[in-house]
Amino acid sequence: DTGVSQDPRHKITKRGQNVTFRCDPISEHNRLYWYRQTLGQGPEFLTYFQNEAQLEKSRLLSDRFSAERPKGSFSTLEIQRTEQGDSAMYLCASSSGTSGSGQETQYFGPGTRLLVL
Amino acid sequence: GNSVTQMEGPVTLSEEAFLTINCTYTATGYPSLFWYVQYPGEGLQLLLKATKADDKGSNKGFEATYRKETTSFHLEKGSVQVSDSAVYFCALSGAGNQFYFGTGTSLTVIP
Repeated sequence: DTGVSQDPRHKITKRGQNVTFRCDPISEHNRLYWYRQTLGQGPEFLTYFQNEAQLEKSRLLSDRFSAERPKGSFSTLEIQRTEQGDSAMYLCASSSGTSGSGQETQYFGPGTRLLVL
Repeated sequence: GNSVTQMEGPVTLSEEAFLTINCTYTATGYPSLFWYVQYPGEGLQLLLKATKADDKGSNKGFEATYRKETTSFHLEKGSVQVSDSAVYFCALSGAGNQFYFGTGTSLTVIP
């Protein structure tokens, strides 16, 4: 059973550095989502892709953040010029379904924990 | 807009006690409702879901009923076990497929 995988699981970086995270969704899933989760909070939506198209972006996604899904399979999330406030767990999820249904289940990866010093 | 309000924790129960975790929501349209569970050191796992009013989701002894009149989706279990210790998140999914999560409720079950 190949679920959603994320790499790396942990990342420590210094303020001002760039970091990139990777997410591999469940292979037949056409939708991929990124969330951010801070301590004691629920996940907050960042962005989502349907195949290779980025369809929605949250206001939380500042211009230092960029996400890609070039071939409609894996996705990367890059944070440029990291700040201490970027420290969080970054979660990836995937799902399959028709547009606008709102009924599909999202399957989550284990997350990448980022610490910015 | 869409939002989820969850009962604050932490919750501590003795084994075999009855569990209720309250969840209410605000949504436009007709959302689907979910409960996810996060065990220590692991990712979020779907526990149960309901896609329309009066539906009951159930799994592993947990149940939740989609109540449109009270905009609620409370999680219940008749007899909790130590292995149920985790953080529980209520979530809704609207037409845009974006999930909105509550803040989570930490449950500890003591033997």
